[in-house]
Amino acid sequence: EADIYQTPRYLVIGTGKKITLECSQTMGHDKMYWYQQDPGMELHLIHYSYGVNSTEKGDLSSESTVSRIRTEHFPLTLESARPSHTSQYLCASSDWAAYNEQFFGPGTRLTVL
Amino acid sequence: GENVEQHPSTLSVQEGDSAVIKCTYSDSASNYFPWYKQELGKGPQLIIDIRSNVGEKKDQRIAVTLNKTAKHFSLHITETQPEDSAVYFCAAWKAAGNKLTFGGGTRVLVKP
Repeated sequence: EADIYQTPRYLVIGTGKKITLECSQTMGHDKMYWYQQDPGMELHLIHYSYGVNSTEKGDLSSESTVSRIRTEHFPLTLESARPSHTSQYLCASSDWAAYNEQFFGPGTRLTVL
Repeated sequence: GENVEQHPSTLSVQEGDSAVIKCTYSDSASNYFPWYKQELGKGPQLIIDIRSNVGEKKDQRIAVTLNKTAKHFSLHITETQPEDSAVYFCAAWKAAGNKLTFGGGTRVLVKP
């Protein structure tokens, strides 16, 4: 079944740790996105990719980095986590159609102590 | 860039009543307007969308209207049920920008 997966679903770590949030999709979509969702609900685009070897920064500045070595995989990395990084992180993907529905993963809730 | 404003931020309705969420957008070049529903513990999911060449679209109990001149669009949910309780996001998309701009979200609570 075509889907989009995120792991882990929940992560609690200490300050200064390096973390990678995983995102994979089985729909063959070229475009992938990372959003940060604050407690006030608003979705902020932090990274996106048009395909393999393509990465772009989104509207909200983020200290995280992303890579796109394979079409189906779009991991997000924080080199040194801080309490200000505590948030919900949502991954999404879409195809190249003119009116492109974005399919979202279930999210990773990150807490940095 | 595009700016999408969504109102209200919270909405409480009695089961069976209607719910209306309104959004305005700033860029007249935007031509696709989807609505997403986010249930607790899940990612947002598309529930309905409308293109700029259409004024209204309906799918069972949900409908969306678009006024291009005024640059606003609305989501209407009729005969609300407890399972309609969720956070709803409107969004606007244009080809030049190649990405969606989301509104701030509306938390809907349907009271039984």
